[in-house]
Amino acid sequence: NAGVTQTPKFRVLKTGQSMTLLCAQDMNHEYMYWYRQDPGMGLRLIHYSVGEGTTAKGEVPDGYNVSRLKKQNFLLGLESAAPSQTSVYFCASSYPGGLGEQFFGPGTRLTVL
Amino acid sequence: AQSVTQPDIHITVSEGASLELRCNYSYGATPYLFWYVQSPGQGLQLLLKYFSGDTLVQGIKGFEAEFKRSQSSFNLRKPSVHWSDAAEYFCAVGGPIQGAQKLVFGQGTRLTINP
Repeated sequence: NAGVTQTPKFRVLKTGQSMTLLCAQDMNHEYMYWYRQDPGMGLRLIHYSVGEGTTAKGEVPDGYNVSRLKKQNFLLGLESAAPSQTSVYFCASSYPGGLGEQFFGPGTRLTVL
Repeated sequence: AQSVTQPDIHITVSEGASLELRCNYSYGATPYLFWYVQSPGQGLQLLLKYFSGDTLVQGIKGFEAEFKRSQSSFNLRKPSVHWSDAAEYFCAVGGPIQGAQKLVFGQGTRLTINP
């Protein structure tokens, strides 16, 4: 099992450009999450999904959109990138009954110039 | 609202020395508590978790943590650190969020090991 994978690993954008980050998990988990990690701030929840076709806002959702068309995939979109979105993005998944334990992908380092 | 505080941003210890990383949480009910480790350029790996029962929990890589409800703490310990333990460590508290399970993370503690 690959666990949680993220594509791409690195990306550099110019201000105003758009892009989509892909997260895939092969553990048949119901719940998926997108976080951003910034120095000194830990991980902050952007959006999450409790199942195929459902998404919800987390702590810092502004400037991002998400979609969960298939159970195994969770996409994070930036419609018009800003320098403040320079960060490392992590995807995670979990399952009902897991009591909160989440499984993390390797991260995507995004730089917006 | 849930919150987690890791008071130490950066800790340096010598190889072979003991280690304690502090974590304080705020949560209304019985918390689910986690410690994750992040090696440079890597994702987060679960070290250990506490749900209920014995307040001293054992994890991977020789780590352990003790849940103290009276102090709202969940400190991570290791008797003798190895150079490979150099990493960033995150404490997190879990709880329900609209059908899913939310994790709130502390700011992280960066651990440096002196040879």
